[in-house]
Amino acid sequence: DGGITQSPKYLFRKEGQNVTLSCEQNLNHDAMYWYRQDPGQGLRLIYYSQIVNDFQKGDIAEGYSVSREKKESFPLTVTSAQKNPTAFYLCASSTWKTRGETEAFFGQGTRLTVV
Amino acid sequence: DQQVKQNSPSLSVQEGRISILNCDYTNSMFDYFLWYKKYPAEGPTFLISISSIKDKNEDGRFTVFLNKSAKHLSLHIVPSQPGDSAVYFCAASVLGSNYKLTFGKGTLLTVNP
Repeated sequence: DGGITQSPKYLFRKEGQNVTLSCEQNLNHDAMYWYRQDPGQGLRLIYYSQIVNDFQKGDIAEGYSVSREKKESFPLTVTSAQKNPTAFYLCASSTWKTRGETEAFFGQGTRLTVV
Repeated sequence: DQQVKQNSPSLSVQEGRISILNCDYTNSMFDYFLWYKKYPAEGPTFLISISSIKDKNEDGRFTVFLNKSAKHLSLHIVPSQPGDSAVYFCAASVLGSNYKLTFGKGTLLTVNP
C-alpha cells in the first residue's frame, strides 16, 4: 500500500530541545515538502526538496532544518531557535505529470506540543 | 504577502444545496490550481485540479471554474452532503518551474442535514 507515513502522530517536547519529525514515502515521488498548520493560518511551507541531496527554504524556514539523503525520506528537525514550535506539521510528496502538473499527497500529520 | 487568498473563513449550507467556495490569486505566473479537503487532525486530500488552458473541470459532484482575467477560481459542490463538511484549501503552482505549492488559508464548510 503506497503512501506517506509521518511519525509520531503526537509529540511532546520540553522548551529548548531539538526534535526530529519523521516522513517516509513509498510512492517513488521526486519531491517532498514540509508544511506547518496553525489555526487561521492555513498551510505554510517550511522546506521542500525536488531531488535527493537538494532542498530549498520555503516561506517560514527559520528555526527548522531538513535533510534529503534518500528519495524516500525527508526528516524535519525543529530546533530550539524556532520561537513558536507548537503546531500541526504536515509532510507531502509529489511528482510530475504529463504537462508538469503536480498533486501533492499528504501524510496524516504530527502534532508537536512544546511545554 | 499572501499570493493565494480565500476570503471566506467559513460557509454554511443546507444538505442538497450548492456549496460555492472561492479563491483569488495575485501571482499571474500561477497556471495550475488545486483544491484540497481536510478533516481535523488529518492530512489534506486532493480533490480536483485545473490548469490555465481550461476554464472548467468537472469530477462527479465537484466542479472547479477558473477566470484567469479576474485571477479567480471557485469550487462548486452539488449536491452538498454532510460528509463534505471540512476545511477546503485552494492551492496554486507554476507549471514546469518547480514543485512548490502555495496554499490559501482555507474555508470551513459546514453542510447541515
